[in-house]
Amino acid sequence: DQQVKQNSPSLSVQEGRISILNCDYTNSMFDYFLWYKKYPAEGPTFLISISSIKDKNEDGRFTVFLNKSAKHLSLHIVPSQPGDSAVYFCAASGGGGSQGNLIFGKGTKLSVKP
Amino acid sequence: DAGVIQSPRHEVTEMGQEVTLRCKPISGHDYLFWYRQTMMRGLELLIYFNNNVPIDDSGMPEDRFSAKMPNASFSTLKIQPSEPRDSAVYFCASSIVGTPIYFGEGSWLTVV
Repeated sequence: DQQVKQNSPSLSVQEGRISILNCDYTNSMFDYFLWYKKYPAEGPTFLISISSIKDKNEDGRFTVFLNKSAKHLSLHIVPSQPGDSAVYFCAASGGGGSQGNLIFGKGTKLSVKP
Repeated sequence: DAGVIQSPRHEVTEMGQEVTLRCKPISGHDYLFWYRQTMMRGLELLIYFNNNVPIDDSGMPEDRFSAKMPNASFSTLKIQPSEPRDSAVYFCASSIVGTPIYFGEGSWLTVV
């Protein structure tokens, strides 16, 4: 029973275009959401986060949108660059912070083609 | 600043042998996490510590797995005896309140 779902295992985008990665969750107690990026043979690295009191958070080319009623969040990358090619994990936690049991989705592999 | 340091990076062992994975968290971080990544289950939390005390070990698969944190700068995850289904990448991560979790580069375990 997955509490955090990333239904697209892979996504291919042309350089310069927008990449949209999606994530759905089932637990309404989740109040903090994060995106991690992972290159092969490395650990996941934190990318961007959003609290449930917001519906949007932006950091440079990366924007995360949260739709609480739909229990859905998305990560937009604009413009996409070849260096963005990696696996992206969505993660969620309850309890007001990033500590505790961070539940991860299974990841979406993004390929940005030159 | 040094990140989370894990050793060994790669381990190949025979079924039945004991495996010990080691982790040094980021200095000053008081939360330490052990995650396991497999193709089937993705990234799953095994156990986490706060101030060296285990808080939640409900993700530890069975009694063959044990974790310790004897001090703020060191933790071990032990598998005894190891089985082929334990083959996975094991990540250690650390954090403090108000920051995201920072991961190490992982220990790639193969049990043959």
